[in-house]
Amino acid sequence: DAMVIQNPRYQVTQFGKPVTLSCSQTLNHNVMYWYQQKSSQAPKLLFHYYDKDFNNEADTPDNFQSRRPNTSFCFLDIRSPGLGDAAMYLCATAHSGQETQYFGPGTRLLVL
Amino acid sequence: GQQLNQSPQSMFIQEGEDVSMNCTSSSIFNTWLWYKQDPGEGPVLLIALYKAGELTSNGRLTAQFGITRKDSFLNISASIPSDVGIYFCAGQRGGNNRKLIWGLGTSLAVNP
Repeated sequence: DAMVIQNPRYQVTQFGKPVTLSCSQTLNHNVMYWYQQKSSQAPKLLFHYYDKDFNNEADTPDNFQSRRPNTSFCFLDIRSPGLGDAAMYLCATAHSGQETQYFGPGTRLLVL
Repeated sequence: GQQLNQSPQSMFIQEGEDVSMNCTSSSIFNTWLWYKQDPGEGPVLLIALYKAGELTSNGRLTAQFGITRKDSFLNISASIPSDVGIYFCAGQRGGNNRKLIWGLGTSLAVNP
């Protein structure tokens, strides 16, 4: 089945220690998104790639970076995680013609 | 950032009852999406609406794109325990604006 895959599902890191979350998709969608979701809140868009073009949200901290080496994969790098970065991180994909976003299962990040 | 007005915030119902929730906005959207999110998982797309006035069903779920393009509702008929979760509406303006504007979610609890 075509799907969005996120690994790992749970990630524990230490305060200030860089961490990378990964997302892959078999939908062949050209748009990929990264969201942060905290408890009892709606997902908050961090940035997205339209093909290779990177689009950052104005309020996304510089601590968050992303890489998209090819169509199928996208990475979220948190350079120096703080306690406030503990959250669920969601990857989503869409086809530029339709724009409906399909989400992966998420990675829950814990910062110690 | 902008958010949609989603109501009710939470519902506690008996198994077998029908459920209705809605989202409203002060601005128009080209797409309305309804997602369900279970604890610890990513949002799962339930219904996507692309045309004003469109009424779409997915099993026991029915959703409508308001004629003014500023609102949408989701109905669940004959609720069952696995309907428990948080339901989010999301709107998209379309064109080059791919960002989803989210409601705050409706938390549904079903008493068997």
